[in-house]
Formats: sequence, C-alpha cells, structure tokens
Amino acid sequence: GDSVTQMEGPVTLSEEAFLTINCTYTATGYPSLFWYVQYPGEGLQLLLKATKADDKGSNKGFEATYRKETTSFHLEKGSVQVSDSAVYFCALRGGGGTSYGKLTFGQGTILTVHP
Amino acid sequence: DGGITQSPKYLFRKEGQNVTLSCEQNLNHDAMYWYRQDPGQGLRLIYYSQIVNDFQKGDIAEGYSVSREKKESFPLTVTSAQKNPTAFYLCASKRDPDYTFGSGTRLTVV
Repeated sequence: GDSVTQMEGPVTLSEEAFLTINCTYTATGYPSLFWYVQYPGEGLQLLLKATKADDKGSNKGFEATYRKETTSFHLEKGSVQVSDSAVYFCALRGGGGTSYGKLTFGQGTILTVHP
Repeated sequence: DGGITQSPKYLFRKEGQNVTLSCEQNLNHDAMYWYRQDPGQGLRLIYYSQIVNDFQKGDIAEGYSVSREKKESFPLTVTSAQKNPTAFYLCASKRDPDYTFGSGTRLTVV
C-alpha cells in the first residue's frame, strides 16, 4: 500500500536558518504530493502541492519538488521565522484506482524556531 | 465563507459511553473523511464517504461508526468498543484536487 516517511523530529532552528524536512514515499501509479501545516490546537492547512513529476510547489517561502526518480518531496525554506513553528505533514494521494481520494500522511515533523 | 465546522472542540467521555463528533460542511463537496491523530503517528483514516448514503471503512475503523444521510454532514460515533479513544479527530472534505480540513475535536476519556 501507499506510505509516506518523514524525517525524524523534532527540528529546532534559530530564526533565519535554512530548513529542510525530508519526505519520501511509496505509491502505485502517479500520486499527487502535499505538504500540510498544523498550528497548535488547529486543523491542517495546505501549504503546497505538486501533482506530477518535476513539479515544484511553493507558498510563503516554502518549496518542494516532486522527484519521481528518488520518490521524494523534501520541504525547504531559505530563512525560517518564529511564526513558522508548527507541525508539518507530508502526504500523498494515490494515483491508483482504489485510492478513493484518500490522503496518506507521514508521521509529522515538529518545527520550533527560536528568535 | 465556506468551510468545515467540527464540534465540540473539546469533549470528555466516561469509559463505556458512546459519543458522537459532529462534522458539517457548506462547501458542496461530495467526499468527506474522518482522520484520527495521535502524537508521533501522523493521521490515520477512520472512515470516508464519497457520496450521500455511502461510506467505507478506512485503515482503523474498529470501534467507530458513521452515517452520511446528508451531503453536508458526516458525524462520527466513537463507541465503547474503541479501546483507546483519546485522540484528536479531524474531519475533511474534498472536491478535486483540493481538501479542506476542520479545526478538529479533542476527545478525552476520563
């Protein structure tokens, strides 16, 4: 079945540091890939997405490129802010016929940014 | 504005009691989903529904039940058969290619 693996956390950075959160996946067909962000006590917000190989999703300074050859979708940001502190989830929507549109999530990575 | 409303935000239940979590959307989305979130485990799919009057088990359906009598509503019942119900529950809806999530209900068994 489909699966998503995120780098172990938590991640702690100083403000303006470079961020990378690794994400790799296993899926049949041609999945769509997503990064979601969750602030304390809230639901998930879509951060960015990519629907086919070599697509780059970007939003609020975050970027991720859909790499089919390495089955990866790593999240990056050049300069993090305190307000970026949250939990980040990598997810995929399977491209196979039985996926029923469901999202498969990684375990989440807690990011804490200090001033 | 359109969105998904989950209620209540916090819910306490005594062991042995059933409890129902509400999920309402005014986005006119056909598909709806229930996920459970536990620390360090990401989100796991409980049930999903692609159309009214139809729903399917997800990966961890045991101890849960749902109904989909209206397009707008997809309530989740946590039954006494659920061995470890304390968790954060998220409802979502979908109209391709986008998903919308509610703000969640935190259920605590006391």
